[in-house]
Amino acid sequence: DAMVIQNPRYQVTQFGKPVTLSCSQTLNHNVMYWYQQKSSQAPKLLFHYYDKDFNNEADTPDNFQSRRPNTSFCFLDIRSPGLGDAAMYLCATSRERGSGGDTQYFGPGTRLTVL
Amino acid sequence: GDSVTQMEGPVTLSEEAFLTINCTYTATGYPSLFWYVQYPGEGLQLLLKATKADDKGSNKGFEATYRKETTSFHLEKGSVQVSDSAVYFCALMVYGNNRLAFGKGNQVVVIP
Repeated sequence: DAMVIQNPRYQVTQFGKPVTLSCSQTLNHNVMYWYQQKSSQAPKLLFHYYDKDFNNEADTPDNFQSRRPNTSFCFLDIRSPGLGDAAMYLCATSRERGSGGDTQYFGPGTRLTVL
Repeated sequence: GDSVTQMEGPVTLSEEAFLTINCTYTATGYPSLFWYVQYPGEGLQLLLKATKADDKGSNKGFEATYRKETTSFHLEKGSVQVSDSAVYFCALMVYGNNRLAFGKGNQVVVIP
């Protein structure tokens, strides 16, 4: 089945220690998104890639970076995690962007704990 | 801007009861509307969607109708099961803008 895969499902890191979260997709979608979801809140978009074109949200902290080496993979790098970065990180994909009805398909998420 | 408002608070109901979760929206353009469901510890799954006024989305016994006149997209299910316990998010996306605007979500707890 075509899907969005995130690894690991659970990640524990130490305060200030860089961490990388991984997302891969078999849908061959052009767009990949990263969302941050804190407890009992709605997901918040951090950034997205349209093909190789990176699009950052205005309020995403500089501490968060992303890489998309090819169509299938996208990485979220947190350079110096703080306690406030503990959250569920969701990866999503869509075939296109801006067409309104394009569905975003989400992965299962990575739960990040910062000690 | 684009925004979605969901009714406040968790929803607790008995198995086989009727479920309604209200969702209203404001949009800067012509929106598509979505309901996503999130089971404990999991990511979001698309439950249903509607892309134009008067469309009805349906899936797994859930339904929602895109009402442009009332700017609403209320979610309903006639007979809930314990397995429907989850958080439900209403969301919209305006044509020309790839951002999903989510509501705050509603925790639904179904008691046997």
